[in-house]
Amino acid sequence: GAGVSQSPSNKVTEKGKDVELRCDPISGHTALYWYRQSLGQGLEFLIYFQGNSAPDKSGLPSDRFSAERTGGSVSTLTIQRTQQEDSAVYLCASSLEGAYTEAFFGQGTRLTVV
Amino acid sequence: AQTVTQSQPEMSVQEAETVTLSCTYDTSESDYYLFWYKQPPSRQMILVIRQEAYKQQNATENRFSVNFQKAAKSFSLKISDSQLGDAAMYFCAYRMPPNSGGSNYKLTFGKGTLLTVNP
Repeated sequence: GAGVSQSPSNKVTEKGKDVELRCDPISGHTALYWYRQSLGQGLEFLIYFQGNSAPDKSGLPSDRFSAERTGGSVSTLTIQRTQQEDSAVYLCASSLEGAYTEAFFGQGTRLTVV
Repeated sequence: AQTVTQSQPEMSVQEAETVTLSCTYDTSESDYYLFWYKQPPSRQMILVIRQEAYKQQNATENRFSVNFQKAAKSFSLKISDSQLGDAAMYFCAYRMPPNSGGSNYKLTFGKGTLLTVNP
């Protein structure tokens, strides 16, 4: 596709349920990032994938959070046993390799836990 | 750990006027990368401008320019001839230098500045 695509755009779930958020990066981009944006806050780093290297999971807030990237393309962020504090916008970005390269962001998934 | 601070939660400017958004950061590195991203209500982050720390010349992109003060660890964004479409959240971001380990390309963001443009 032309840009980074995230689905669903919005998700409302009950506390305790599991949710999966999907990210389709730009074709050919080897780097993929997940960020969380809570209301009135900046972007909090969650996880980073680069090619075939082991992902950097240092930003995942708890073991309820996990992510995978299949075939170096699509990524899924899974939150198990959701809590109300998980409510936020989850943003995905992708880029070519290189520290100066532009990261292209999707429009995010707004997760609301009720 | 690197931190990015945006001290102005909100700013406003009159259409056609100039506004400057502040950003400071903390790092022990000498080479790194700095970015300004814009987030309109659509939520999609858009790159506005970027700067390499080893380049002394301030970056410019049309109406957008930066004042990069490396010694002061300051990276402010100046928007000239402000337009209604400039209204958005603006985030300053820092990226670690190459070959710095597993988080090479992790962007560290400030908390943002909400810019309002008044007609």
